[in-house]
This record gives sequence, structure tokens and C-alpha cells, in this order.
Amino acid sequence: GAVVSQHPSWVICKSGTSVKIECRSLDFQATTMFWYRQFPKQSLMLMATSNEGSKATYEQGVEKDKFLINHASLTLSTLTVTSAHPEDSSFYICSARPDEYPLNTEAFFGQGTRLTVV
Amino acid sequence: GNSVTQMEGPVTLSEEAFLTINCTYTATGYPSLFWYVQYPGEGLQLLLKATKADDKGSNKGFEATYRKETTSFHLEKGSVQVSDSAVYFCALSDLTNAGKSTFGDGTTLTVKP
Repeated sequence: GAVVSQHPSWVICKSGTSVKIECRSLDFQATTMFWYRQFPKQSLMLMATSNEGSKATYEQGVEKDKFLINHASLTLSTLTVTSAHPEDSSFYICSARPDEYPLNTEAFFGQGTRLTVV
Repeated sequence: GNSVTQMEGPVTLSEEAFLTINCTYTATGYPSLFWYVQYPGEGLQLLLKATKADDKGSNKGFEATYRKETTSFHLEKGSVQVSDSAVYFCALSDLTNAGKSTFGDGTTLTVKP
């Protein structure tokens, strides 16, 4: 089956520093990947759509200068949280779908990254 | 636009009890419907899916039927186990929304021995 790997699983950083989270599709190509944020006991909030070879599309209210997305290849998207602050602490999840799959099929999710900013 | 409304939780059941988690949806297109499960500290895993009306998705004793007339996709299991404790998300995807999935708010299930 299609596997999405996210790294790191957890990270602790100091306020003001930047943190990079990687999302890789291990056995398929994905022109499009999605980044979500999940607060405790809450649903997934779509942050942005990552597009290989072009700029990411951000959802309303998401600061694109704060959350930098780079889709460097058909198997890798990165989310960089810049100048992190404690309110950025959250669980970040990526998802992707193989390019050959129709858009109305299931998505495959990474295992998530727990970010704690101290 | 698309939306998914899911039964509020949390839900606490004893082992071997019957489970129902309600899910209704609105969609502009003709969506596929999914239930995903999230165990603590992990990402989401597909539990089951249905792609057209009257389809029944099933997996690990869970099942859900795509009801177009009631726009529903309720999740059921006849006898839950402690290992079923997790958060369950109802979701939909269609061809009109650039591959984005629409999720319900999630329902936390706790099964006690």
C-alpha cells in the first residue's frame, strides 16, 4: 500500500528558532500533498496544499511567511515553522495521494509530528 | 461547499458493547465517503470506505453504509474491544475540490474492560 513517512515524530525547539518537518511518499509520486494542524481533542485543520514545482496554496488565516512550504520533488514536501512561538506548539500531519489515483479516493497520512516550542 | 457533521463525543463503552457513531454530510458533487481512525500520537489510517450509494464499507468488524437518501455514513460495530479505543473521523472527498478531504470533528471512543 501507499506509505507516507513524516519526520521527525516529535521535536522540541526554543522560541524564535525555526523547525523543518519532512513529508515523504515512500512508494509513490505525489504532485500534491496536504499539511494539517491538529489541536488537542480537535479535528484536523487544513493549513495548505503543497504543489510540486509551484507555490503552495494556503488556507484562509494561515500565515504563509510563518509556515513555509517547499515541495522539492514528487516525493518530498517540507513544512518549516519559522520563528516558532509556544502558540505554534501542535501536532502537524501531512497527507498525500498517488498521482494516478482519482481525486475522490482515500488519502494516506504521515504519522504526524508533535512540535513543542519552549 | 462540502461539510461533514459527526456525532459529538466522547463515547465510553464497555467491552463487547454495540457501537454507533453517526455521520452526515453535504457535498456539491458526488463524494466518496471514508472513516479514518487515529490512535494516540499517530496519524490517520483508513478504516473503511464507500464510493457510491448503497455501498457498504467494512473492515475489522466495523461497517458503514453509504446512504444517499439520508446523506449519512454511520459507523457501527457489533462488539467493541479495548483495542478499538481511538479517535474516529468521518470524511469525504470528491472530484470538485482539488483533492482536498473534508473531515468531521472526530469522535473519541474509549472502551473499558
